[in-house]
Amino acid sequence: QVQLQQSGPGLVRPSQTLSLTCAISGDRVSSNVAWNWIRQSPSRGLEWLGRTYFMSKWHNEYAESVKSRITINPDTSKNQFSLQLNSVTPEDTAVYYCARWQHVRHTFDSWGQGILVTVSS
Amino acid sequence: DIVMTQSPLSLPVTPGEPASISCRSSQSLLDSDGNNYLDWYLQKPGQSPYLLIHLGSNRASGVPDRFSGSGSGTDFTLKISRVEAEDVGVYYCVQVLLIPITFGQGTRLEIK
Repeated sequence: QVQLQQSGPGLVRPSQTLSLTCAISGDRVSSNVAWNWIRQSPSRGLEWLGRTYFMSKWHNEYAESVKSRITINPDTSKNQFSLQLNSVTPEDTAVYYCARWQHVRHTFDSWGQGILVTVSS
Repeated sequence: DIVMTQSPLSLPVTPGEPASISCRSSQSLLDSDGNNYLDWYLQKPGQSPYLLIHLGSNRASGVPDRFSGSGSGTDFTLKISRVEAEDVGVYYCVQVLLIPITFGQGTRLEIK
């Protein structure tokens, strides 16, 4: 059974970079699924941010709302993937989740535990 | 982006009674393969969301049969035949047809 373990700082200063990692056990980052980042805040609800997946080569897809600021990278050596969100503002304060996506069923079938990231000086 | 609209946003229910949540999408989720790309997730207090229903009407593994999903195109319904105390939480419909994947606002089910 797959498990996703998230890690990263809970406080980020405005204009700095938010960095989170999602460590995978029970699956490979290069398997036939997609690895996603989703956030949740009272003002925006659940918001899909982007994903990375391997299909002959690595692919990334990002939400337009964060496209200019986001990078999602797989790390095959550590079997994990990461989120970097640049130039954060207080509006980026949210609980951030990583999640596995099954291409065939179009479902998020496993989620990380969530990390609350607060953007504040 | 496809906009997902749920109703009601709050749903107080007496244990043993049925409950129903409606979800409407701004465009059809019925694909040419005949599948409706609509999922339902439940987020219990203090937990991450988890899958209840996929492709509009298919219960995920381990989900009790008191949960059922129906609908097609732009209108979908999640029904709980007899609500139990453990069903409290926020229910989300999610369109999984197109990127960006988009979520409904959530329906908070509480026990009366």
